[in-house]
Amino acid sequence: AQKITQTQPGMFVQEKEAVTLDCTYDTSDPSYGLFWYKQPSSGEMIFLIYQGSYDQQNATEGRYSLNFQKARKSANLVISASQLGDSAMYFCAMREFNAGNNRKLIWGLGTSLAVNP
Amino acid sequence: AAGVIQSPRHLIKEKRETATLKCYPIPRHDTVYWYQQGPGQDPQFLISFYEKMQSDKGSIPDRFSAQQFSDYHSELNMSSLELGDSALYFCASSPGGGGSEKLFFGSGTQLSVL
Repeated sequence: AQKITQTQPGMFVQEKEAVTLDCTYDTSDPSYGLFWYKQPSSGEMIFLIYQGSYDQQNATEGRYSLNFQKARKSANLVISASQLGDSAMYFCAMREFNAGNNRKLIWGLGTSLAVNP
Repeated sequence: AAGVIQSPRHLIKEKRETATLKCYPIPRHDTVYWYQQGPGQDPQFLISFYEKMQSDKGSIPDRFSAQQFSDYHSELNMSSLELGDSALYFCASSPGGGGSEKLFFGSGTQLSVL
């Protein structure tokens, strides 16, 4: 079963608008972490934001915020005031801390975001 | 701030050749991970090292081997290269210890096998 699901293969947003990228996850581990990474066309993988399963507040990093709904097992990324440079592939990933293989990230298939001028 | 450094940035090899990819983690990061990302795919975990010992193993082919050296840099050795090995190979590092740390990725090595 897919542990990380990103249902939007591609998204468009107008410059300066906000956009939400969806991510749902599946785990029975009570202790886990959720990550979002950005991969522009140049290929590098850029860390954006992290949310721990026990964190009481939603994570925020500048224009990025994570809408963490634990009961729904969703961790959507919200990008406010989109910029042309936000056009990239966005990956949601998870680590299960009590799993034997807890050092690896489990990845979604990614969402390709295009920001229109 | 120093980031994860991977070399080479691009590598072109022919089938059945060997390749060595290098990764220099962020200073004081003792954990290194290797990922393989095919075109249009999500990254696939290959192998990781913690304090110079292999900590986890993923979908790494038997033709590949890796190690972490005393200075914490890591090398991924690939032998008998196949066309399907063409991919972007990422190295990532983290401070180790508990699992909440972020993984910081290098810019990747783009391997093309002809």
